[in-house]
Amino acid sequence: GQSLEQPSEVTAVEGAIVQINCTYQTSGFYGLSWYQQHDGGAPTFLSYNALDGLEETGRFSSFLSRSDSYGYLLLQELQMKDSASYFCAVRDPSGLGGNTGKLIFGQGTTLQVKP
Amino acid sequence: NAGVTQTPKFQVLKTGQSMTLQCAQDMNHNSMYWYRQDPGMGLRLIYYSASEGTTDKGEVPNGYNVSRLNKREFSLRLESAAPSQTSVYFCASSEGKYYGYTFGSGTRLTVV
Repeated sequence: GQSLEQPSEVTAVEGAIVQINCTYQTSGFYGLSWYQQHDGGAPTFLSYNALDGLEETGRFSSFLSRSDSYGYLLLQELQMKDSASYFCAVRDPSGLGGNTGKLIFGQGTTLQVKP
Repeated sequence: NAGVTQTPKFQVLKTGQSMTLQCAQDMNHNSMYWYRQDPGMGLRLIYYSASEGTTDKGEVPNGYNVSRLNKREFSLRLESAAPSQTSVYFCASSEGKYYGYTFGSGTRLTVV
């Protein structure tokens, strides 16, 4: 089956850098995605890594190592508004070989940013 | 406003009642999905529709049915609600397998 592991909670100080790790097990790999969800809100798409390496989008970066089945989300210059839950997700390879676009989500990491 | 619209936002049902959660997207996306979110359990796929005219089961389909009415609309029906179906339900759509999901704002359902 497919599974993802990420820490349940992370705490950091405003202005600092924080890394949220995600390890995955899947029978077929089609990329790693990250989503942000504020309390009471809907998840929003942050990034997608299909190939190894670092992808940067403003203060957020996402890294993937397919050989290690590992990725991370890096948040720089933390702001109070970054307090949220962060989910990693992989495509479910079952059904049409992953072409359905179904995602399997990790259980989420709650990031608390303190002043 | 472009995006995914879900109705209702809140609902309380009695055990055994039925209801339909509505979802519509105006981004011309082919794929649509229904997830439920429970505390500490992340998002779990209930049903999905890879394209208009097709639907298939996800991880937790028991107690639910879906209808892909047209390309825009994908509804989720609870035929006989149970307390175990108390959850937050999210509808999502995507342009294709390499694109991220756009989620609706969610339906907070309580079954008493």
